[in-house]
Amino acid sequence: AQKVTQAQTEISVVEKEDVTLDCVYETRDTTYYLFWYKQPPSGELVFLIRRNSFDEQNEISGRYSWNFQKSTSSFNFTITASQVVDSAVYFCALSGLPTSGTYKYIFGTGTRLKVLA
Amino acid sequence: DTAVSQTPKYLVTQMGNDKSIKCEQNLGHDTMYWYKQDSKKFLKIMFSYNNKELIINETVPNRFSPKSPDKAHLNLHINSLELGDSAVYFCASSQDRRSGNTIYFGEGSWLTVV
Repeated sequence: AQKVTQAQTEISVVEKEDVTLDCVYETRDTTYYLFWYKQPPSGELVFLIRRNSFDEQNEISGRYSWNFQKSTSSFNFTITASQVVDSAVYFCALSGLPTSGTYKYIFGTGTRLKVLA
Repeated sequence: DTAVSQTPKYLVTQMGNDKSIKCEQNLGHDTMYWYKQDSKKFLKIMFSYNNKELIINETVPNRFSPKSPDKAHLNLHINSLELGDSAVYFCASSQDRRSGNTIYFGEGSWLTVV
């Protein structure tokens, strides 16, 4: 069975602090994909990043960085120098090889990040 | 242009009514989805269509009926609305049904049943 765990329900930081959102996944597939989405207070779901299981290189995009470690089944997301606009709910998701011909995304329960001015 | 658009954004209705949410994507994608997000922010897939063919049908009451007139549209009709149907419903699409394709979401439709 596939599973995504985001153990941090809510995190509060002060602006300019760095913050890491944890994501731990479970899958028996050797090929799989991991994603992060952002849901700001306005409610839409915004795609942030997609990573396949064969690419363990860390990725940096501006103040955002992602650390993928297969050894610990984790795909953590770090925001450097956080800003108030980073306040949102962040979801980690997993997509594995199809069963019955159709794959499904498994979403974590989300981490609510509050960045205080 | 919005890639995945759904209407209405907000819907308040009484128990027992029937309502529809419409969704359109202009990305040229083959696969579309309906997700439900409950009050605890938990996201769960309801349905998926690939080129107008139903490919995922999760354990959803049969009061919910999706319809895909063409691959760019996936509408959701809900009969006999109940209080527990109150949620945010997201339409989404992806290139095709293969694993690993990024899913792009619409802005959500906030349904409140009173």
